[in-house]
Amino acid sequence: AQTVTQSQPEMSVQEAETVTLSCTYDTSESDYYLFWYKQPPSRQMILVIRQEAYKQQNATENRFSVNFQKAAKSFSLKISDSQLGDAAMYFCAYAGTASKLTFGTGTRLQVTL
Amino acid sequence: DGGITQSPKYLFRKEGQNVTLSCEQNLNHDAMYWYRQDPGQGLRLIYYSQIVNDFQKGDIAEGYSVSREKKESFPLTVTSAQKNPTAFYLCASSMTRGPAYEQYFGPGTRLTVT
Repeated sequence: AQTVTQSQPEMSVQEAETVTLSCTYDTSESDYYLFWYKQPPSRQMILVIRQEAYKQQNATENRFSVNFQKAAKSFSLKISDSQLGDAAMYFCAYAGTASKLTFGTGTRLQVTL
Repeated sequence: DGGITQSPKYLFRKEGQNVTLSCEQNLNHDAMYWYRQDPGQGLRLIYYSQIVNDFQKGDIAEGYSVSREKKESFPLTVTSAQKNPTAFYLCASSMTRGPAYEQYFGPGTRLTVT
């Protein structure tokens, strides 16, 4: 079974600074997708970024980018120029051939002035 | 606007009662999902459905039941057999079943059973 591990329960970053959230996963599959979801206080889940395992190039979406290390099974999220609105729970998720999402336990990000 | 609606936002029930959570989508998505969220545990899959009149158990299906009579609707019943029903429940949908397709989430229902 696939597992997703987020080892940082909480992180803090100052506004305008950069922060990296860590995620590791375990799988025997070669074809899969990885996601970062954001859950603000409203609890609405929002997709931040997606990475296809067969692509070597790291995905980027504006201020959000990933560092995908397939051999190390690592998938970290970098948030640049952090904003107050980035404060939320961030979940790393895996989807393989079973087509269901497996989530990590989340990292709570605080953004300070 | 297209989206997923879940109602109600907060739901209270007495122990021993069955309760049904509503999930409706107008995105014309084929696949729909139910997740449970507990503090410190992320989201866990309860049931999912790829097409009408068909659904599969997820990781924690015991004590829950679903139906998929219409493409737009995927209600979840929390039965009295569910030992710890108090949780936040999220419904999601995607264009089709497959890892490549983004899952869109509803706003969730907070169920409290006393």
